[in-house]
Amino acid sequence: EAQVTQNPRYLITVTGKKLTVTCSQNMNHEYMSWYRQDPGLGLRQIYYSMNVEVTDKGDVPEGYKVSRKEKRNFPLILESPSPNQTSLYFCASSRQAALNTEAFFGQGTRLTVV
Amino acid sequence: TQLLEQSPQFLSIQEGENLTVYCNSSSVFSSLQWYRQEPGEGPVLLVTVVTGGEVKKLKRLTFQFGDARKDSSLHITAAQPGDTGLYLCAGAVRSRASQMRVGYALNFGKGTSLLVTP
Repeated sequence: EAQVTQNPRYLITVTGKKLTVTCSQNMNHEYMSWYRQDPGLGLRQIYYSMNVEVTDKGDVPEGYKVSRKEKRNFPLILESPSPNQTSLYFCASSRQAALNTEAFFGQGTRLTVV
Repeated sequence: TQLLEQSPQFLSIQEGENLTVYCNSSSVFSSLQWYRQEPGEGPVLLVTVVTGGEVKKLKRLTFQFGDARKDSSLHITAAQPGDTGLYLCAGAVRSRASQMRVGYALNFGKGTSLLVTP
């Protein structure tokens, strides 16, 4: 089954404790991205990757890092989480970064930073 | 940068009613997509509209792309409780050049939260 898998689904952590949210897709997609979804603000792109070893900042990259060492995996790293990073996070993948391409989303990771 | 404005933000209706959700922008888009997000899940693509004036139907859902390709609408006929969810429109925008590669990123509206009660 074609899917994007995120882990964990839920995470509560303390300020400053480094964490990684994993994302894996089994569709051989080139393009992967991370979004955060907040009430009243909608979905905002954090980082994206057009292919292996090619990553770039989205609209809200501060406080986040990513890596793309393999095509299927695109982890999101919070080196020193802060309460304002409490949010619902989605990983998405597309065949390519082209027009009219469908984005496939993971089920989301609800992160709470206390 | 939020380029897409959706209205209404919230909509609560009874089963059997009709409704229309709007997605507007001051920018021209090559195409627009509509996604539906159910609670606890990620968004799922419903449709992509490409040509100005295009109308696409998906069972009881009718999608229209404005002639000037700056706006789109989603009309649901005889809404059912299973239509409950967050409806998001998204347009592709040119993303920053990275290592000489230029592509497109999806820019989402804030969504319309629809509740259909029996």
